[in-house]
Amino acid sequence: AQSVTQLGSHVSVSEGALVLLRCNYSSSVPPYLFWYVQYPNQGLQLLLKYTSAATLVKGINGFEAEFKKSETSFHLTKPSAHMSDAAEYFCAVSDQSFNKFYFGSGTKLNVKP
Amino acid sequence: DVKVTQSSRYLVKRTGEKVFLECVQDMDHENMFWYRQDPGLGLRLIYFSYDVKMKEKGDIPEGYSVSREKKERFSLILESASTNQTSMYLCASSSGTGEYYGYTFGSGTRLTVV
Repeated sequence: AQSVTQLGSHVSVSEGALVLLRCNYSSSVPPYLFWYVQYPNQGLQLLLKYTSAATLVKGINGFEAEFKKSETSFHLTKPSAHMSDAAEYFCAVSDQSFNKFYFGSGTKLNVKP
Repeated sequence: DVKVTQSSRYLVKRTGEKVFLECVQDMDHENMFWYRQDPGLGLRLIYFSYDVKMKEKGDIPEGYSVSREKKERFSLILESASTNQTSMYLCASSSGTGEYYGYTFGSGTRLTVV
């Protein structure tokens, strides 16, 4: 069985500060891992994905994530937060049989001026 | 630009009504999914389909059914709407072959059952 745990339902940072959103996964097979972002009243948009190539993955809007097998983690980071980064972020792990996803409960990022 | 289109952004229905949520994708994707999203619970899979006329139950199928008569269209049906089905419903699609690109999501339908 696969599952995802996101630590912290709400994270608040100042503009220009480091963003760190935590994600730990559980998977019995080599996982595919994803981060999605959701802006208010919109669907989810893919930020980045890990599919067993490089362990450090770069995504859109300056975000990146590092796959650490020993820690079963896939934390999302951005060196300098921008006001436009305020959104909800979801980590997901895939089921490779039918491309089925398991999502975390989400982390709302608030960026303070 | 490739798209997953959900027919309604906002919907208000009465308890006991039969409700249809429509989703259409233009990417020739094999797989389609329906999720509901509730605060603090993230996204929960209701049903998915990996081919025309095929469907599989997700984690919370009770009170829902689906229909996939054509590859591009996947419909979610609430047989008799109840207030606990008030939620945001998200449709997604994905390719079943080649490198995995993840889901493409629709913009969501916010359903209120009164």
